[in-house]
Amino acid sequence: DTGVSQDPRHKITKRGQNVTFRCDPISEHNRLYWYRQTLGQGPEFLTYFQNEAQLEKSRLLSDRFSAERPKGSFSTLEIQRTEQGDSAMYLCASSSATGNQPQHFGDGTRLSIL
Amino acid sequence: EDQVTQSPEALRLQEGESSSLNCSYTVSGLRGLFWYRQDPGKGPEFLFTLYSAGEEKEKERLKATLTKKESFLHITAPKPEDSATYLCAVPANYGQNFVFGPGTRLSVLP
Repeated sequence: DTGVSQDPRHKITKRGQNVTFRCDPISEHNRLYWYRQTLGQGPEFLTYFQNEAQLEKSRLLSDRFSAERPKGSFSTLEIQRTEQGDSAMYLCASSSATGNQPQHFGDGTRLSIL
Repeated sequence: EDQVTQSPEALRLQEGESSSLNCSYTVSGLRGLFWYRQDPGKGPEFLFTLYSAGEEKEKERLKATLTKKESFLHITAPKPEDSATYLCAVPANYGQNFVFGPGTRLSVLP
């Protein structure tokens, strides 16, 4: 169990650029979640996958955001035409599908929009 | 709407000074309450799950308890290394995601 890993840890980009983040979940976990966290707040849910199927999306997930989990393993989150308000920590979590199990988080990607 | 609140927002303790953090929730049909610790620049680290009123869990200087509408995280004789933000979360009423509170920022001074 190597834990959830996220890449990159930090991303600085100019407004209007596209960015993509990667998440590798714990290998035996088939549920994968993306959250966004801003300073002084708890994580806010963005989207959820079970295996390769994207089953839930928050209304926070505008059409500039897209997430994939092509083979039910790693996932990517892409933000197109970034805006100042997209600056945040993007967290990935994974869990097993049995019952209400805890979600285990990676250390996030901190996105800064110039 | 599912809601989780935490108090206090921030707490400063002297080393060895015990205290409690509160987490209140409004979701119906609770399917577990989860406590996490988050250090600056890191992701939340899982601490405890509580499933039913009256349940208690302990880990080192931390003890979590649950009632029908709130949970407490008791910190006994804290040390500076316990300084962190403590988050609680519950599964959303509809869906598989967690709803998080805003956290309590704990500082333990030597």
